[in-house]
Amino acid sequence: DQQVKQNSPSLSVQEGRISILNCDYTNSMFDYFLWYKKYPAEGPTFLISISSIKDKNEDGRFTVFLNKSAKHLSLHIVPSQPGDSAVYFCAALITGTASKLTFGTGTRLQVTL
Amino acid sequence: EAGVTQFPSHSVIEKGQTVTLRCDPISGHDNLYWYRRVMGKEIKFLLHFVKESKQDESGMPNNRFLAERTGGTYSTLKVQPAELEDSGVYFCASSRFNEQFFGPGTRLTVL
Repeated sequence: DQQVKQNSPSLSVQEGRISILNCDYTNSMFDYFLWYKKYPAEGPTFLISISSIKDKNEDGRFTVFLNKSAKHLSLHIVPSQPGDSAVYFCAALITGTASKLTFGTGTRLQVTL
Repeated sequence: EAGVTQFPSHSVIEKGQTVTLRCDPISGHDNLYWYRRVMGKEIKFLLHFVKESKQDESGMPNNRFLAERTGGTYSTLKVQPAELEDSGVYFCASSRFNEQFFGPGTRLTVL
């Protein structure tokens, strides 16, 4: 039972344009969401997070939007750079217990010149 | 501040052998997690330590896997005896609050 879903396995975007990565979840108990970036042969690197009490969080070129009613979140990268090419994982957890992350299957982003 | 470190980076063993993976968390992080990624699929939770206590081991696949965190510092994950389906990348993460910070992983290949 996939509780966190990333339905696009890959995305290609031109340098300078906006990259939008999507994530859906089914467990309404999730109240904290995170995005991780992963390069080959490395561990996931934390990018940005959002609590369910917010609908937007911004950090530099990265913005995460949360739509609780739709159980949907998205990561926007503006402007996209070649170094952003990586696999992006959406993850969710239930706070209060410092609990486990439930991951999506990832979206491979390719930023082209 | 040093990040999460894992040893070894790669391990190739034969079916039936034993392997021990080690994780050193970020200093001061009470929470330590083990995850596994098999065949390039999603990263799946194995277990969670708070200091030296196992908080949640619901993701451990079977009793061939044994995790310890003596003294609440580094952790080991032992697989004994290893089976073919244990192949994958084993990640360790640590946290103080909600954001978990991952190590580079140990790639385990069971032949």
